[in-house]
Amino acid sequence: GENVEQHPSTLSVQEGDSAVIKCTYSDSASNYFPWYKQELGKGPQLIIDIRSNVGEKKDQRIAVTLNKTAKHFSLHITETQPEDSAVYFCAAALREYGNKLVFGAGTILRVKS
Amino acid sequence: DTGVSQDPRHKITKRGQNVTFRCDPISEHNRLYWYRQTLGQGPEFLTYFQNEAQLEKSRLLSDRFSAERPKGSFSTLEIQRTEQGDSAMYLCASSDAQTGELFFGEGSRLTVL
Repeated sequence: GENVEQHPSTLSVQEGDSAVIKCTYSDSASNYFPWYKQELGKGPQLIIDIRSNVGEKKDQRIAVTLNKTAKHFSLHITETQPEDSAVYFCAAALREYGNKLVFGAGTILRVKS
Repeated sequence: DTGVSQDPRHKITKRGQNVTFRCDPISEHNRLYWYRQTLGQGPEFLTYFQNEAQLEKSRLLSDRFSAERPKGSFSTLEIQRTEQGDSAMYLCASSDAQTGELFFGEGSRLTVL
């Protein structure tokens, strides 16, 4: 089955700097890669996703890149703000099988002001 | 609020008792998922429904766990004879078949004493 690894497990950045979180997946058939943000005591919130037919997607300060050959994808947050502090999870899925997401272990992002 | 709703948000029970969680998905979503999340880990897939049909169950879902979605709307997750290892956050998510984007509820946190 699919296995997703996520690095780093914790990341501290200064406000205004960029943050990058990387994930690798094992199943080359996976074709859907969402990113979730989870704040303390809350459920995961979808922030951006990418499908395997594109290499990059941007939404304001957030971007995701996908390298299908190397089987890795990354989340990029620019101009970080204190409210970006949270746990971020990457996930992978095969859309034809009901989008059963396999998650990474998460990255704790701390933005210092 | 038209998001995914879960009830109760917190449940404390003694080992051996039965507990039931309820999930109300986004109304137009035909897919409903249950995930379990333990501290410091990403969510793990338990089961999912398309309308009222339960299409897949994880091996994590032991015989003590049962999920239903009787009319293709809300769903319940019951845990019988709870064990301390069942302590976790139980997350519900829903999606529509077209976009495949999963939207999570705030979760039901179970503590087994």
